[in-house]
Amino acid sequence: EPEVTQTPSHQVTQMGQEVILRCVPISNHLYFYWYRQILGQKVEFLVSFYNNEISEKSEIFDDQFSVERPDGSNFTLKIRSTKLEDSAMYFCASTSGGVFYGYTFGSGTRLTVV
Amino acid sequence: QKEVEQNSGPLSVPEGAIASLNCTYSDRGSQSFFWYRQYSGKSPELIMSIYSNGDKEDGRFTAQLNKASQYVSLLIRDSQPSDSATYLCAVYGSSNTGKLIFGQGTTLQVKP
Repeated sequence: EPEVTQTPSHQVTQMGQEVILRCVPISNHLYFYWYRQILGQKVEFLVSFYNNEISEKSEIFDDQFSVERPDGSNFTLKIRSTKLEDSAMYFCASTSGGVFYGYTFGSGTRLTVV
Repeated sequence: QKEVEQNSGPLSVPEGAIASLNCTYSDRGSQSFFWYRQYSGKSPELIMSIYSNGDKEDGRFTAQLNKASQYVSLLIRDSQPSDSATYLCAVYGSSNTGKLIFGQGTTLQVKP
């Protein structure tokens, strides 16, 4: 079964440092997403990406965040200057599109900011 | 603010019983509804989707949708200890970007 692959599985970084979280979506999927889940809290939408541009972003997705699809297969989330409150599980997801298809989630990256 | 509400639980049922999980949503324009299962420390896994009013069955799982009442439910028959997890209700709102809005999840404990 096709998978969404995320790397690294766990990243520890110092406050103020930049991090890049990487995702390889399912190859024939067209819509890509980043979500995060702070420990014990709900899964929160960050950003959606389609046709090489952001289609929607949440209030959480401020100027410190950016996304890229640099080479047609990878999909990255960059946090420029991490804060303690960025510590969370970050999930990448993809779908072939349409409102009748749920997402396939990657296994997640646990980001710990110290 | 579009919301999806679930009782956080825990919901505890004995092995072999029926577990009933409920979800309400606020956006009347919502089109599609999903149930995800999430084991502790893992990513959400899609288990059911439903788009039309009524029931949809898949193995031991039945999803129920009532758009007039803005209510979605998931029934798990013959519950097994391996079903112990958090169940997330997710809704495609009226936005055309495919954004899923998640509830906070209901923790299910199936006791042997």
